[in-house]
Amino acid sequence: EVQLVESGGGLVQPGRSLKLSCAASGFTFSNYYMAWVRQAPKKGLEWVATISTSGSRTYYPDSVKGRFTISRDNAKSSLYLQMNSLKSEDTATYYCARHPGIKGHWFAYWGQGTLVTVSS
Amino acid sequence: DIVMTQTPSSQAVSAGEKVTMSCKSSQSLLYSGDQKNYLAWYQQKPGQSPKLLIYLASTRESGVPDRFIGSGSGTDFTLTISSVQAEDLADYYCQQHYSYPDTFGAGTKLELK
Repeated sequence: EVQLVESGGGLVQPGRSLKLSCAASGFTFSNYYMAWVRQAPKKGLEWVATISTSGSRTYYPDSVKGRFTISRDNAKSSLYLQMNSLKSEDTATYYCARHPGIKGHWFAYWGQGTLVTVSS
Repeated sequence: DIVMTQTPSSQAVSAGEKVTMSCKSSQSLLYSGDQKNYLAWYQQKPGQSPKLLIYLASTRESGVPDRFIGSGSGTDFTLTISSVQAEDLADYYCQQHYSYPDTFGAGTKLELK
């Protein structure tokens, strides 16, 4: 069974940094592109970042480019999101998600999410 | 960026009804290389994470009941629930996975009439 378990969320002041982690199990982690998707309170879904199987390619929307960094450790079956220069609009539940094993980048599996609150 | 527009934003339904919801993209999601439409649908129940229902516009994810039907091509897509059940009350989102940045629609909320 595919499992994705996020951790690292919490309350952080504007301008500070936070690192999220996602522990994956139930599949061969190194074979799949992985991603982060967020959801602000009572709002819709927003894609945040995607990383290739080896970690050599990363993709971001303009809203987080230059502030957020996605990375992975295939030996530990773990995904990370380093978030710097946080803003109030980054307040959201952050989901770790797995892409399919075939061409296409929809989100086949999701974790339960971790809440990040950016506030002074 | 490709803009995804979902209508209606909310819909009140009764159990057993047939429901349709729309998703329109600002650019075609039909990839000429394989003639597939790069559009997915997700269901999110209150307090839960999203769940994949449909990918490539019409392919049902394993384990998804066959009352969920995805259709459409190009820029116009529809999610149909042939006979709504109580457990289908949720938010539904479409997502284009044709090109980065991946973008979602604002969602359609299914409520009880």
